[in-house]
Amino acid sequence: DIQMTQSPSSLSASVGDRVTITCQASQDIANNLNWYQQKPGKAPKLLIYDASDLETGVPSRFSGSGSGTDFTFTISNLQPEDIATYYCQQYDTFPGYTFGQGTKLEIK
Amino acid sequence: QVQLVQSGAEVKKPGSSVMVSCKVSGSTFRSFAIIWVRQAPGEGLEWMGGIIPLFGTSHHAQKFQGRVTFTADGSTSTSSTTVYLELKSLRSEDTAMYYCARDPGFNHGYRGFCDHWGQGTPVTVSS
Repeated sequence: DIQMTQSPSSLSASVGDRVTITCQASQDIANNLNWYQQKPGKAPKLLIYDASDLETGVPSRFSGSGSGTDFTFTISNLQPEDIATYYCQQYDTFPGYTFGQGTKLEIK
Repeated sequence: QVQLVQSGAEVKKPGSSVMVSCKVSGSTFRSFAIIWVRQAPGEGLEWMGGIIPLFGTSHHAQKFQGRVTFTADGSTSTSSTTVYLELKSLRSEDTAMYYCARDPGFNHGYRGFCDHWGQGTPVTVSS
């Protein structure tokens, strides 16, 4: 299976900050990467698909970039409601889709 | 709008089986897929596999070979369909929240992302 390594595993930032999370794949996955947000006690929510496409209805402060093995997820102008755990997920190798281990985001 | 409604909480003994259902309604894509993802307490997300209800074809992660089965109720209606996950030979490590989610599909296969999710079904395996 393709391994997805996310970093950091947790971070604390202030409202209005720019936050960046990285995800590295163990092999080339082109742009076959998604980003999800999961709030405590809730199901995950799709934010970004195909590495950089914003899901309908998701605020434009969320963005994604990258291809191959290195990917970045950014929240510009962090808001209090962005407190959540964020996961990357690759879908290059079927049926072995895999998630990163998650990044827990807290507000300072 | 698309809705996925899952069955209720389950408590099972080690070695037994569990079946979780997921009723999908409102999908305008006929060849969508239903993906199953689980999350152990305090842990991350784990992709288990999926099924395309229209064709009845299913796929699972290698880790679950021989223990997991995905089925659909055979309905080809776009109004609703129900899919099922059965996990056998349960062990304590299977204690988790189980989610179903819709993959909108592409060319009669999987699109690769999940845009609608069920509410989750907690499964506890304990003697």
